[in-house]
Amino acid sequence: DTEVTQTPKHLVMGMTNKKSLKCEQHMGHRAMYWYKQKAKKPPELMFVYSYEKLSINESVPSRFSPECPNSSLLNLHLHALQPEDSALYLCASSQGTEHSNQPQHFGDGTRLSIL
Amino acid sequence: TQLLEQSPQFLSIQEGENLTVYCNSSSVFSSLQWYRQEPGEGPVLLVTVVTGGEVKKLKRLTFQFGDARKDSSLHITAAQPGDTGLYLCAGLHQAGTALIFGKGTTLSVSS
Repeated sequence: DTEVTQTPKHLVMGMTNKKSLKCEQHMGHRAMYWYKQKAKKPPELMFVYSYEKLSINESVPSRFSPECPNSSLLNLHLHALQPEDSALYLCASSQGTEHSNQPQHFGDGTRLSIL
Repeated sequence: TQLLEQSPQFLSIQEGENLTVYCNSSSVFSSLQWYRQEPGEGPVLLVTVVTGGEVKKLKRLTFQFGDARKDSSLHITAAQPGDTGLYLCAGLHQAGTALIFGKGTTLSVSS
């Protein structure tokens, strides 16, 4: 069982809907990440939060809006998505971003389909 | 330009065969990590290598970090169907704070 919990596991939404993806970890990690992954491709970094502050935004379209309410929670708010946004969205956490060899722990992802 | 070149991209072998996956770069990395991902799940960390020349073993898996910390390899001995999955190398570039992933190797082991 993964120590990073993501909900929901599957989400189907229309292009005009608003939905949110949720991620939770209780390992005391201070860095949290959102990735997008297409089939048989590596994860692509979207956002990095360090100590609850957004530290990296990899030029992600504004229809994706991250939020970090506290050190254990990370949300990704979705609005007006496009069919090409269909993918597996992975959340990860690590102890921090300032040390070079800290591994990232991944959740099992949310499989998102845009109709 | 892909900072981490991973090869081969696809590998289909029979149970009992050996295989090696390579992860190469022209840049120096502070550390390299190997993950395995099965369908419907997130990547699971297998190992982190930090020191140049380091070798780590995990049962039938042997991981090596190059002396110059620019490359790494994963060798699997006597592959089993349970080894099937997407293998990802990922590195923390010396100047960066976020992981850089290779393109992945999709391994299929048939019995």
